[in-house]
Amino acid sequence: DIQMTQFPSSLSASVGDRVTITCRASQNIRSNLNWYQQKPGEAPKLLIYGASALQSGVPSRFSGSESGTDFSLTISSLQPEDFATYYCQQSYSTPPYTFGQGTKLEIK
Amino acid sequence: QEQLVESGGGLVKPGRSLRLSCAASGFIFSDYYMTWIRQAPGKGLEWISYISSSGSAIYYADSVKGRFTISRDNAKNSLYLQMNSLRADDTAVYFCARGERSFYYDSSGADYFYYMDVWGKGTTVTVSS
Repeated sequence: DIQMTQFPSSLSASVGDRVTITCRASQNIRSNLNWYQQKPGEAPKLLIYGASALQSGVPSRFSGSESGTDFSLTISSLQPEDFATYYCQQSYSTPPYTFGQGTKLEIK
Repeated sequence: QEQLVESGGGLVKPGRSLRLSCAASGFIFSDYYMTWIRQAPGKGLEWISYISSSGSAIYYADSVKGRFTISRDNAKNSLYLQMNSLRADDTAVYFCARGERSFYYDSSGADYFYYMDVWGKGTTVTVSS
């Protein structure tokens, strides 16, 4: 199975900061990488699919990029509502479609 | 409005069984693959099962293979997860999610992106004696 290594596991930042979260796949997954945001007590919400395609309704301050088997989620200017936990997920070929361990983004 | 609502969670003793349901509304259920994902208390997301739109293709995570069975009834717009031989480490919030796909073409050829775009709020399963 494909393993996803996500880092950092936690991150402290301030409103207005630019932050980047990274996921590394254990093998080539082409661009089959999704990013989700989860707030406490809520279901995850899809932010980005296909490594860089923004889901409808998601603010443009969120962006995704890739370099080989490394994938990044960048928030260009943090807003108060962005403090949450973020997960990457690979969806290459057939399941299992594994998640990264998550990154908890906290207010500094 | 596209919606998924899970039900069937509860407190169950180790070794017993439980059946979760997920009711879909606001979209053509039979057009989409579906998945179950769970989240143990204070832990991350774990993908556990997938079923294709027709039900002909099914996959499981190793952690539940042989114990859990996913199924769907397109006439009833419903997804199910039959959980047998439950263990304490099956304690989690169980989410159902709709699977969407988008076609793409790059230098390696044509393929689809797969992603989960509609999620239910989850149902809690607690396995304890």
